[in-house]
Amino acid sequence: NAGVMQNPRHLVRRRGQEARLRCSPVKGHSHVYWYRQLPEEGLKFMVYLQKENIIDESGMPKERFSAEFPKEGPSILRIQQVVRGDSAAYFCASSPSKQGASETQYFGPGTRLLVL
Amino acid sequence: KQEVTQIPAALSVPEGENLVLNCSFTDSAIYNLQWFRQDPGKGLTSLLLIQSSQREQTSGRLNASLDKSSGRSTLYIAASQPGDSATYLCASMNTGFQKLVFGTGTRLLVSP
Repeated sequence: NAGVMQNPRHLVRRRGQEARLRCSPVKGHSHVYWYRQLPEEGLKFMVYLQKENIIDESGMPKERFSAEFPKEGPSILRIQQVVRGDSAAYFCASSPSKQGASETQYFGPGTRLLVL
Repeated sequence: KQEVTQIPAALSVPEGENLVLNCSFTDSAIYNLQWFRQDPGKGLTSLLLIQSSQREQTSGRLNASLDKSSGRSTLYIAASQPGDSATYLCASMNTGFQKLVFGTGTRLLVSP
């Protein structure tokens, strides 16, 4: 009965390094969403993916950030050349299909990224 | 562009009190409105989801209402308990989009 799994739970990087965050959705879910929670701020949508497709990336910073959800394996959020402002909690959520009005997204525990 | 606001930002009550958390949104073209609970260092747990055609939903001691015309939702917690201490987030999903727009949350502390 595994829910959404994210790893690592905590990640420390120095400025200029790369961060790779992984998300395994609920078994059978084919839709994945990434959100970012900056310190003392609310969660902000970043990107919505289906298997092998990016559907909505309107919340992704234009540079250094990318996301993928391959046919096999977890979804990956990649941050290149991290800066201190990237320090935040990154949450992944999943849903079984295109979300209907009565369906929720299931959230993982988050990855807390700290950039030194 | 949808904006979601939650008031108050923090709330401290003694155990046993009934309380109301408020959420307002600027765009009434919502698909649904959801309330989540977030515990420190943890993920989000869905509490209640109200579809745009509904006025309220209930689960145990929790009741959430939705008034699209005024752009408001409330979460009512009856007979609060120390275990209810957490941050409560409301989030809207607008018609035509698959993303949730979150408020900044209300931090609730229920003291024994």
